[in-house]
Amino acid sequence: EVQLVQSGAEVKEPGESLKISCKVSGYSFSGYWIAWVRQMPGKGLEWMGIIYPGDSDTRYSPSFQGQVTMSADKSISTAYLQWSRLKASDTAKYYCARYGDYLRRGNNYYFYGMDVWGQGTTVTVSS
Amino acid sequence: DIQMTQSPSSLSASVGDRVTITCRASQSISTYLNWYQQKPGKAPKLLIYVASSLQSGVPSRFSGSGSETDFTLTISSLQAEDLATYYCQQSYSTPHTFGQGTKVEIK
Repeated sequence: EVQLVQSGAEVKEPGESLKISCKVSGYSFSGYWIAWVRQMPGKGLEWMGIIYPGDSDTRYSPSFQGQVTMSADKSISTAYLQWSRLKASDTAKYYCARYGDYLRRGNNYYFYGMDVWGQGTTVTVSS
Repeated sequence: DIQMTQSPSSLSASVGDRVTITCRASQSISTYLNWYQQKPGKAPKLLIYVASSLQSGVPSRFSGSGSETDFTLTISSLQAEDLATYYCQQSYSTPHTFGQGTKVEIK
């Protein structure tokens, strides 16, 4: 069974650092892109970026570029999302999700949908 | 960035009704359009990918259509368990933006 299991809820103060995880099982971690999606309280879904664990190729949304860092450890089939200095506005639920497939044409990638999702990690940033 | 606009933002329908949600892209995205269902307190679930392909395990009452800039999600016969918010998402070019969501309520 394909599964993405995320780390537990976090409560942090502004200015602190944080790294949350997404451990996958049931498929070859290196061969599928992993996305991170933010959902602020009561709001919609926001696409943060993607990482290809095979070579750590990473694409960030301009809205999140420089605000977060995505990484992956192939040896333990785990993707990470980290912040160096949290802000109150980072309070949200964060989901990791796997893209099921993609089509590559030259340097362009065209993706199919995100077919497996983690359960989400709630991050609360408050003083 | 490609902007995705869904309509309506919310709707209320009866069990058995046919429900249609539309999604418009600010530029052509071919058929790289996906639909997700998010039930309260749960992670999103993929319903439709590349505009019209039904994800495995999803009931056949869900269907998708469209290309280029205009897309539609149809629920042929609304069921009580379809209470959820539905999102479209383009996966043609990064960032893979979502629509703002359509909340479906049951009358």
